[in-house]
Amino acid sequence: SQQGEEDPQALSIQEGENATMNCSYKTSINNLQWYRQNSGRGLVHLILIRSNEREKHSGRLRVTLDTSKKSSSLLITASRAADTASYFCATDRLDSSYKLIFGSGTRLLVRP
Amino acid sequence: GAGVSQSPSNKVTEKGKDVELRCDPISGHTALYWYRQSLGQGLEFLIYFQGNSAPDKSGLPSDRFSAERTGGSVSTLTIQRTQQEDSAVYLCASSSRDRGSPLHFGNGTRLTVT
Repeated sequence: SQQGEEDPQALSIQEGENATMNCSYKTSINNLQWYRQNSGRGLVHLILIRSNEREKHSGRLRVTLDTSKKSSSLLITASRAADTASYFCATDRLDSSYKLIFGSGTRLLVRP
Repeated sequence: GAGVSQSPSNKVTEKGKDVELRCDPISGHTALYWYRQSLGQGLEFLIYFQGNSAPDKSGLPSDRFSAERTGGSVSTLTIQRTQQEDSAVYLCASSSRDRGSPLHFGNGTRLTVT
């Protein structure tokens, strides 16, 4: 069963704008990770945030985590056409072995 | 070094036939995962190997699916008596033993059952 659900399912923005994607999950976690997938390729790890962290930055990426609401957001600032991809959140659940459970993803289109 | 390698990249098979999908993880990675991704969907967890521990098979959808990992390295996912609903991209990933280590994915095997 899915642990994470991303919102929105699809997002279309103009180059230079910011993109925000949200992820909600159901059970307590050790950490939450965001991955990116270009069409026809495997996933690439972007950033990890631990359950005791609230915000993390990496380049143009900003991730927040609200464990009380069981939700996370990924913000991509100053988007580029090359950011076009699907973005997935993945949770490492407290009550299981270390297997990441992925959400259904957000398809981001950045128009040049 | 080399990343995660999966073979074949594409496989077309007839309904009822058995298929084997191969994954070569990154050298030194003790954890190996198989996921399944249907068209335009998220990833469905199938199975997880960690070192010499018993694998977590909780995601395997039926007893037609099995996987093994020989020598703590290469893994093979076998689907017996394939059905059309098995058509998907099968993704393999590996990571180091530390919990929280990022997963490194291969490019997947696209399986089509006709």
